[in-house]
Amino acid sequence: KAGVTQTPRYLIKTRGQQVTLSCSPISGHRSVSWYQQTPGQGLQFLFEYFSETQRNKGNFPGRFSGRQFSNSRSEMNVSTLELGDSALYLCASSWTPGQAYEQYFGPGTRLTVT
Amino acid sequence: DAKTTQPPSMDCAEGRAANLPCNHSTISGNEYVYWYRQIHSQGPQYIIHGLKNNETNEMASLIITEDRKSSTLILPHATLRDTAVYYCIVTDTGNQFYFGTGTSLTVIP
Repeated sequence: KAGVTQTPRYLIKTRGQQVTLSCSPISGHRSVSWYQQTPGQGLQFLFEYFSETQRNKGNFPGRFSGRQFSNSRSEMNVSTLELGDSALYLCASSWTPGQAYEQYFGPGTRLTVT
Repeated sequence: DAKTTQPPSMDCAEGRAANLPCNHSTISGNEYVYWYRQIHSQGPQYIIHGLKNNETNEMASLIITEDRKSSTLILPHATLRDTAVYYCIVTDTGNQFYFGTGTSLTVIP
């Protein structure tokens, strides 16, 4: 069974631009969560989607948004990029929320903002 | 915010058992204890989770104290490939995961 895939793996953008990252969950998984990882803040929860609906949202500004499609694939968007948005963005999928299921993480997208 | 406390770093000799502690004194009755690890520059990897009883799988064992205020992850025979940051997470079903700072485990040859 294929794991969680994220595209692109590496990305370089300049301040003020916007970026869209993609995540394809494991087949059959319907819940997708996004995390930001930086050396200073560690792994921080961004948001979670299930059945195309955002269920939970972390403490991030409105520049960070996401969506989920009917096939469970998810995208996250960051508008008006800032230098501090440079990070590893991780996507995780699980069967459904509301159960004690483990999350499976993708390899991440390394975003560099210059 | 993270509800767990872990030592920032630990060493373990290769082939020996690695015992990683975690304190979660404010855990509530419906919250599970999860353990993940992250090898440098990779996505976190699920290891094990439990509610009340001790659990064991092919990777590790999870020992949860009777009062559920602390737990220990045991890697029975540590190898160099077990060098990673280990995260202990407490969350109830349907809630988000707070990873905290974890324990950096170094397995020494």
